[in-house]
Amino acid sequence: QVQLVQSGAEVKKPGASVKVSCKTSGYTFISYGITWVRQAPGQGLEWMGWISGFNGNTKYAQKFQGRLTMTRDTSTSTAYMELRNLRSDDTAVFYCARDWTTGWYDPWGQGTLVTVFS
Amino acid sequence: QSVLTQPPSASGTPGQRVSMSCSGGSSNIGSNAVNWYQQLPGTAPRLVIHSDNQRPSGVPDRFSGSKSGTSASLAISGLQSDDQADYYCAAWDESLNTVVFGGGTKVTVL
Repeated sequence: QVQLVQSGAEVKKPGASVKVSCKTSGYTFISYGITWVRQAPGQGLEWMGWISGFNGNTKYAQKFQGRLTMTRDTSTSTAYMELRNLRSDDTAVFYCARDWTTGWYDPWGQGTLVTVFS
Repeated sequence: QSVLTQPPSASGTPGQRVSMSCSGGSSNIGSNAVNWYQQLPGTAPRLVIHSDNQRPSGVPDRFSGSKSGTSASLAISGLQSDDQADYYCAAWDESLNTVVFGGGTKVTVL
């Protein structure tokens, strides 16, 4: 079955960086993209960006431009999301999801809690 | 404020039908497909409707989606206690060049 398994929770200080991994299995990695979505505590879902599994092309939400980088490793079918210069309001659960097309994500990873705390 | 507007809450008794709306504009719902997600407390979102009205395999046919103009709706018939969750709509927005989500509707089974 298709699975996306994310790395564990992180605690970071303001100004630091975090890199979250999303290891996929059960499907051909290069046939789909991976989208990243975050959810602040008690809040809704926020699209961060997308990376093509095929060629690594990326598209980021404007608000994250300059401090967000998405990469992938086709040899391990794993996608990565790195967010730099963390602030307290970046505290959130970060999800990866297999991207069928824009807005259509299935399935999702279990989520990774990133806490930014001084 | 979210670009897509959803009512904050909806409720019904077991067996009833509950529906929720997702209102947008010409740059998102009016020109792109709408997708719906269910998020049970403490879990990751789960796709329940894609491409306006298509159910993924494994999603009960009690869930249905529709769209008209710049608004979409998700309906749940034969409401069950397992359906108690937050529901989010999502669509691509051509003006913002991003995927936009609604603020979510919390469904309570009374």
